[in-house]
Amino acid sequence: DAKTTQPPSMDCAEGRAANLPCNHSTISGNEYVYWYRQIHSQGPQYIIHGLKNNETNEMASLIITEDRKSSTLILPHATLRDTAVYYCIVRVGAGNMLTFGGGTRLMVKP
Amino acid sequence: NAGVTQTPKFRILKIGQSMTLQCTQDMNHNYMYWYRQDPGMGLKLIYYSVGAGITDKGEVPNGYNVSRSTTEDFPLRLELAAPSQTSVYFCASTRAWRDHEQYFGPGTRLTVT
Repeated sequence: DAKTTQPPSMDCAEGRAANLPCNHSTISGNEYVYWYRQIHSQGPQYIIHGLKNNETNEMASLIITEDRKSSTLILPHATLRDTAVYYCIVRVGAGNMLTFGGGTRLMVKP
Repeated sequence: NAGVTQTPKFRILKIGQSMTLQCTQDMNHNYMYWYRQDPGMGLKLIYYSVGAGITDKGEVPNGYNVSRSTTEDFPLRLELAAPSQTSVYFCASTRAWRDHEQYFGPGTRLTVT
C-alpha cells in the first residue's frame, strides 16, 4: 500500500485559500488519492478523490502532479468551520480498508 | 436517509464487563467497518464485513468480536473490557469495493476503568 506523508499542522487565515500538501511517492497506477477530514472528534467526512486529473467539487479542489507522487488539497476560501484534521489516503477504492495516518491539523484563524 | 447510526454515544465500563456497540446503516451498503481512534491518533481498522454473513479481521481485532446477520446491522462486541480499549469507536459503510466514499457514523466514546 502506498504510504502518505503530510505536515502535522498548518495555519490559515479566514477567507484565504488553504493548501494542504500530501506526498505519496510509492502510489500505484490504479490507486486513487482520497481526502477526508475530521472535525473535532466527529466521524471522518469524505471531501474529494482523484486518479490523475485535477478535480473540483463544492467543497474543495484536488491538484495531482503529473507524476502522481504528490497532491494538494485546496480549500478556496477557508472558514472557521474548516478547522479540522485532514487525512490524505491512497487506495484502489473506498471499499478497500482506509488507513488513516496522522493527517494535517488545519487551524483557520480569524 | 439517516445514514450510519451508532449507539450508545457514550459509555463507561468497568474492567471485565462486556458490551455491544451497535451500528446500523439504511443505505443498503454491502461493506461495513469498525474503526477505533485513540486520543491524538488516526483511525485503526478493527473488523470489516463485505456482506451479510461475511466478516474478517482488520489491523487490531484482539478483544473484539463482530457478526453480520443482516445487511443493515454490524454490531461490535467487547467481551472482557480492558483499559486499553478506552477509545472512540467509529462505524462506516460503503456500497461496493469500487465506490469512492466511506460514510462514517458519529462515534461511540468508551471509557474502561
